[in-house]
Amino acid sequence: AQSVTQPDIHITVSEGASLELRCNYSYGATPYLFWYVQSPGQGLQLLLKYFSGDTLVQGIKGFEAEFKRSQSSFNLRKPSVHWSDAAEYFCAGPRGKDDKIIFGKGTRLHILP
Amino acid sequence: NAGVTQTPKFQVLKTGQSMTLQCAQDMNHNSMYWYRQDPGMGLRLIYYSASEGTTDKGEVPNGYNVSRLNKREFSLRLESAAPSQTSVYFCASRSFGQGGISGSPLHFGNGTRLTVT
Repeated sequence: AQSVTQPDIHITVSEGASLELRCNYSYGATPYLFWYVQSPGQGLQLLLKYFSGDTLVQGIKGFEAEFKRSQSSFNLRKPSVHWSDAAEYFCAGPRGKDDKIIFGKGTRLHILP
Repeated sequence: NAGVTQTPKFQVLKTGQSMTLQCAQDMNHNSMYWYRQDPGMGLRLIYYSASEGTTDKGEVPNGYNVSRLNKREFSLRLESAAPSQTSVYFCASRSFGQGGISGSPLHFGNGTRLTVT
């Protein structure tokens, strides 16, 4: 079965520093991919989505992600993090040709003041 | 704009009891999903429904049943609850475009926090 993998369970960065969260997927065809964020005790909010076309997609809150087929990656980036970005981030994509969307295990982002 | 509505928000069950989690969406989406979220495990797909009357197993279907009686509603039933089913449950929906490369992202409900003692 296809998979979505987030290699980093925890990431700590200083406020104002740049951020990159990794997401790897295994899928033969061009996938559609999403990044969601979840603040403690809250629901899931969509940060950005990739369906096709431009491989660099812009999202909310200053986030962007780049789809790289050669590396099977869809990494999330932000040039300068804010304390309010502390949350858990999830990458998601299809498990196969059907529309079963599966999630990575998440990366918890900690921000140092 | 209600989006995806889940009920109840909280539930405590004793081992062996049954219950149904309700989910309804008003966005005319064809695909609907049930996930469970546990610490360190992300969201795991329990069941999926591509359209009214069709359902399919996800990653962790054991101990659950689902029903998609119409396009709006997708319910999740625990026939005999176990402590291992203590979790936060999320319902989601989306429109599934041609070949999956279009459509919408997942829209989530606010979740149901279930505790089984």
